[in-house]
Amino acid sequence: GAGVSQSPRYKVAKRGQDVALRCDPISGHVSLFWYQQALGQGPEFLTYFQNEAQLDKSGLPSDRFFAERPEGSVSTLKIQRTQQEDSAVYLCASSLSRGTTEAFFGQGTRLTVV
Amino acid sequence: AQKITQTQPGMFVQEKEAVTLDCTYDTSDPSYGLFWYKQPSSGEMIFLIYQGSYDQQNATEGRYSLNFQKARKSANLVISASQLGDSAMYFCAMRINNAGNMLTFGGGTRLMVKP
Repeated sequence: GAGVSQSPRYKVAKRGQDVALRCDPISGHVSLFWYQQALGQGPEFLTYFQNEAQLDKSGLPSDRFFAERPEGSVSTLKIQRTQQEDSAVYLCASSLSRGTTEAFFGQGTRLTVV
Repeated sequence: AQKITQTQPGMFVQEKEAVTLDCTYDTSDPSYGLFWYKQPSSGEMIFLIYQGSYDQQNATEGRYSLNFQKARKSANLVISASQLGDSAMYFCAMRINNAGNMLTFGGGTRLMVKP
């Protein structure tokens, strides 16, 4: 497809369960970002990759959150031992290169922890 | 640290009228970019318009224009000739050019266009 693709679109997890969220960026896009959007709020930065290198993970809220992009394309955001406060929409965005004005977002994964 | 403030939680506008969505920002860095995104109920963030801090002219993209007042640190979005499909959440965001590539978002404004 032409856009950023995220899967699954919806995920319900029991508290304590591990989850993995997938992001397929636009082909050829070097930069990839993860954001967390709580209900009724703006997105908040989690982490940033340039190719396979994770250059910034300052926004990850705890060590239960882990992201990877091993081949510089598809990225996975993993949350271990999910808690209710992890319930949010997780957005992935990609851009052609560092400094490019426009970042393209996926539709997000809505995670609900029960 | 940078901060984006959107003071209007919700706005109504009559179809075909113009509407201004407010955004103020706070940064001490001289090099930054300002963005507006639209988020319909389907969830994706759609890029609308970009303004660089050194740009001399206000950005325009079709029916969207950005009223950039650098001294006041404001970057209001103006939508002309509103359409029913403009009903959505609108987010203002900032990127500091020398501090990573991430966007800092405001809390958003919900725009509702009345027929």
